[in-house]
Amino acid sequence: DAGVTQSPTHLIKTRGQHVTLRCSPISGHKSVSWYQQVLGQGPQFIFQYYEKEERGRGNFPDRFSARQFPNYSSELNVNALLLGDSALYLCASSLDGAGDTQYFGPGTRLTVL
Amino acid sequence: GQNIDQPTEMTATEGAIVQINCTYQTSGFNGLFWYQQHAGEAPTFLSYNVLDGLEEKGRFSSFLSRSKGYSYLLLKELQMKDSASYLCAGAGSQGNLIFGKGTKLSVKP
Repeated sequence: DAGVTQSPTHLIKTRGQHVTLRCSPISGHKSVSWYQQVLGQGPQFIFQYYEKEERGRGNFPDRFSARQFPNYSSELNVNALLLGDSALYLCASSLDGAGDTQYFGPGTRLTVL
Repeated sequence: GQNIDQPTEMTATEGAIVQINCTYQTSGFNGLFWYQQHAGEAPTFLSYNVLDGLEEKGRFSSFLSRSKGYSYLLLKELQMKDSASYLCAGAGSQGNLIFGKGTKLSVKP
């Protein structure tokens, strides 16, 4: 069975631009969570979606948004990129998200110049 | 608050045993997870403790004491491939994971 997949693998943008990151969960998983990980730190929670509804939101500005589609895949959008948005963006899937084990995808490495 | 603390770095010898501690101050965690993360890769699930006590999985074991806000990950018969960062994470009320900064373990021959 395929694990969590994310695209693209790497991305380079300039300040002020917009970016869309994509994630497909493990087959049968209905919940997707997004995390941001900067070098030397643990992942920081951005969003969790379950059955296309936002279940939780971390302490990130409104420039960050996300959505989940009927096939449970998800997109993370970041507007007006800042240098500080450079990080590894991780998507994790779980059966229903409420305390279930989360399985991470390979991540998207975003560099903002 | 929901702070999670773990040592920044540890070094151990191949074949030895190492214990990585994690302490937390929270009233809202629904369990405690451990993940392994090799440099440049995604975190990989190792263990989950929701009740007090020891969970054993091969060379890896994890312990939780909810009353003390304390967990540890025990790695036995260390191998070079165990060199990685080990992340302790609490399960938050939103279904999210709240991670510590991770412990970078270096295994030396």
